This record gives sequence, C-alpha cells and structure tokens, in this order.
Amino acid sequence: DSGVTQTPKHLITATGQRVTLRCSPRSGDLSVYWYQQSLDQGLQFLIQYYNGEERAKGNILERFSAQQFPDLHSELNLSSLELGDSALYFCASSPHERDRGEQYFGPGTRLTVT
Amino acid sequence: DQQVKQNSPSLSVQEGRISILNCDYTNSMFDYFLWYKKYPAEGPTFLISISSIKDKNEDGRFTVFLNKSAKHLSLHIVPSQPGDSAVYFCAPYNNDMRFGAGTRLTVKP
Repeated sequence: DSGVTQTPKHLITATGQRVTLRCSPRSGDLSVYWYQQSLDQGLQFLIQYYNGEERAKGNILERFSAQQFPDLHSELNLSSLELGDSALYFCASSPHERDRGEQYFGPGTRLTVT
Repeated sequence: DQQVKQNSPSLSVQEGRISILNCDYTNSMFDYFLWYKKYPAEGPTFLISISSIKDKNEDGRFTVFLNKSAKHLSLHIVPSQPGDSAVYFCAPYNNDMRFGAGTRLTVKP
C-alpha cells in the first residue's frame, strides 16, 4: 500500500460526458502527479501540482483540467469525453516539488467511455 | 513523445536465470533514471534508480547499468523469481518523468 488513494476505482460513462477523478496523496506529500495509461501506450505524464499550484504540464488535453486543494487532495476533470479517453488514470505523490522522480502511485482509476 | 523506448514489449525467462530489460533514450539532458515495476490492478512501484554520474547501481538481485554514450540503460534481475513477473517501466527524469511503454516480464517456474 503506497498510501495514495484514488476514487473511484472504476468509472463507466458515455461519450460527451464529464467526470471527476479524485486523489489523496500520502500524508505529508506536497506534490501530486497525474498520469494516463492507455492500452497501447506507456504511462503518459499529464500534469503536476505542488502545494496547490500547477508546476509542470505534460500531454494533457485542453478538455482535461486538474486542481489541488488546500488539504492537498487533487481532482482531475475530464470533459467532452471521447472513446479514446478510456484508460487507466494514475495519481502519484512525492514529498517535494522535485524529488528526482521517485513517486508513490495510487492504484488507479479505470475509466471506460462507451 | 518517443524520447524513451523499451523495444521489447515482453520477455520470458526461466526461474533462476537472468532477466535483462532494456531501455533507450534520446535526450542527453536526462540525468537520472528510474525503473518502476507494475503488477496488474496496482499502481507502479519504484524499484531502483541511477544517476548519470554512475554507470551501475545495485540493490540485491537488481542491477541497473547506464551507458551514457549509447543512451542506453538496462535492468538485470539475477536470479529471476516468479514473483518478478510484472511490467517494468524505464523512466528517465529531467524536471519531469518520462515513462517507456514497458516490458512485460514473465518468469516461469
């Protein structure tokens, strides 16, 4: 158990809909990262937040957005969903802004868009 | 983004033998490299790392080798155990993390 929790575990929704994925980092960790893992691809970095502020952006679509709240939990919002958004979405956390990469991953949320 | 490549999608080895997983990268600015292991239905877990100032780092049965001139790193697992069966991701780091597509290792008893 990494100490990172993600809800929900599974989500099934229709194209065009909007969903929110939630992540609670390990106690004391200030950085939260979001990743997408599609069937035929490795882990794609989406975005990082540190202590409530956006710190780095990766391959995140404009239809997606994220935020980190004062209690340090984070939400990833996915809107105008398309079939291709079906994937595993992982959240990871680390103590500092830059931790030389060692991150602690949650179990993931499996999103299925039908 | 093809800055990281793990060209072997799968590898099968016999228990007790050596497993060698390979990773190639293109960006010479990467200065820190990590390997993560992922079991089904779980998030990736950190396995071992190496800084670009080294060419080898060992932790128990796991050794990572870095060849900077070839922009290549490899993970050696000796001896391989059935519990090592998982997907292994190479992740170079330079201000952000880039993951390879992963190699699925199967260790047969």
